[in-house]
Amino acid sequence: EAGVTQSPTHLIKTRGQQATLRCSPISGHTSVYWYQQALGLGLQFLLWYDEGEERNRGNFPPRFSGRQFPNYSSELNVNALELEDSALYLCASSSEQGLGTEAFFGQGTRLTVV
Amino acid sequence: GDSVTQMEGPVTLSEEAFLTINCTYTATGYPSLFWYVQYPGEGLQLLLKATKADDKGSNKGFEATYRKETTSFHLEKGSVQVSDSAVYFCALSDLGGGADGLTFGKGTHLIIQP
Repeated sequence: EAGVTQSPTHLIKTRGQQATLRCSPISGHTSVYWYQQALGLGLQFLLWYDEGEERNRGNFPPRFSGRQFPNYSSELNVNALELEDSALYLCASSSEQGLGTEAFFGQGTRLTVV
Repeated sequence: GDSVTQMEGPVTLSEEAFLTINCTYTATGYPSLFWYVQYPGEGLQLLLKATKADDKGSNKGFEATYRKETTSFHLEKGSVQVSDSAVYFCALSDLGGGADGLTFGKGTHLIIQP
């Protein structure tokens, strides 16, 4: 069974540009989470999608947005890139919501803003 | 809001030493608790979990017990190996208090020397 896949693995953008990151969840999983892992800051929750709807978002500005498609894959868009957006962006998926739900993570997209 | 606090390290040990990585949490509901591991260049993998008080999660020689009275979920291993070198994240899922998926600690970098 294929795991969570993310593309691209690396992305280099200049300040002010837009970045689009993609995530394909494990087959059968309906929930997708996005996290930012910046150096020294640990993992910060960005967005949660379930059944095509945005369920919650973390404490990030509106230029971080995304969507979930009918096949449950997801995109994360970052507009007006800033240098501090450079980070590893991790996507995770899970099959249900409830206590003890296990999330499976992808390898991440390394975004570098220059 | 929910939070997870863990020692950040780096923690450096010799092979076969005893390992403890402390983790404490605050949560508004009754969370599930997790330990994730991130090997160099990879995404996060679930190491173990516990969903209720006094539960013990275990995997690959690692153990952690859900202690509600001390709000702790310390990770232990009796004899570490060089291959255990990685970053370890303590996390909680508290859907009763706010649906933002997982709340992570900042991670503990573990280095095992031969």
